[in-house]
Amino acid sequence: EVQMVESGGGLFQPGGSLRLSCAASGFTFSNHWMNWVRQAPGKGLVWVSRVNTDGSGTTYADSVKGRFTISRDNAKNTLYLQMNSLRAEDTAVYYCARDKYWNSFDYWGQGTLVTVSS
Amino acid sequence: DTVMTQTPLSLSVTPGQPASISCKSSQSLLHSDGNTYLHWYLQKPGQSPQLLIYEVSSRFSGVPDRFSGSGSGTDFTLKISRVEAEDVGVYYCMQGLHLPLTFGEGTKVEIK
Repeated sequence: EVQMVESGGGLFQPGGSLRLSCAASGFTFSNHWMNWVRQAPGKGLVWVSRVNTDGSGTTYADSVKGRFTISRDNAKNTLYLQMNSLRAEDTAVYYCARDKYWNSFDYWGQGTLVTVSS
Repeated sequence: DTVMTQTPLSLSVTPGQPASISCKSSQSLLHSDGNTYLHWYLQKPGQSPQLLIYEVSSRFSGVPDRFSGSGSGTDFTLKISRVEAEDVGVYYCMQGLHLPLTFGEGTKVEIK
């Protein structure tokens, strides 16, 4: 069974940093591009970032470029999102999502809530 | 950025009746490989999003055949032939061709 479990969320101060993790199981992790998608409270879905299968290629939404870094450890079947210079507008549930093919996300984690507030 | 515009933003449907959601993109989603990268997701209350339809009209594994997708280029439609209580939630279209990847604002479907 495909499973993805995010962790690392919580309450953080503006300007602070954190790292989200997404532990994957039930599939060959290294075969799939992976993504982060976020959802602010009561709002819609917003794509954040993606990484290719070996981690050598990454892409970001403009709103997080230069502040967030996506990475993966295929030996540990884990996806990461390093989030620096946090802003209030980064407050959201962050989902990891597996890329089936051409950016159709066939499996999603349960999400982890990041709250940025002083 | 590719803007995805969904209509309506909310829909109240009687069980057993059909429902239709439109999604229009600000640029064509047709790739040179001949495929069109428009996908549909459903987020049920309190849950993570789930893939319903990929590449305009292909139903994902386990998705009931009452869900169907159609369209081409910039205009797309998701149809539910007979709405059931379990279909409530927010439906999102998403384009997978142009960076950044973008979602529609969502259509909330509720049962009358």
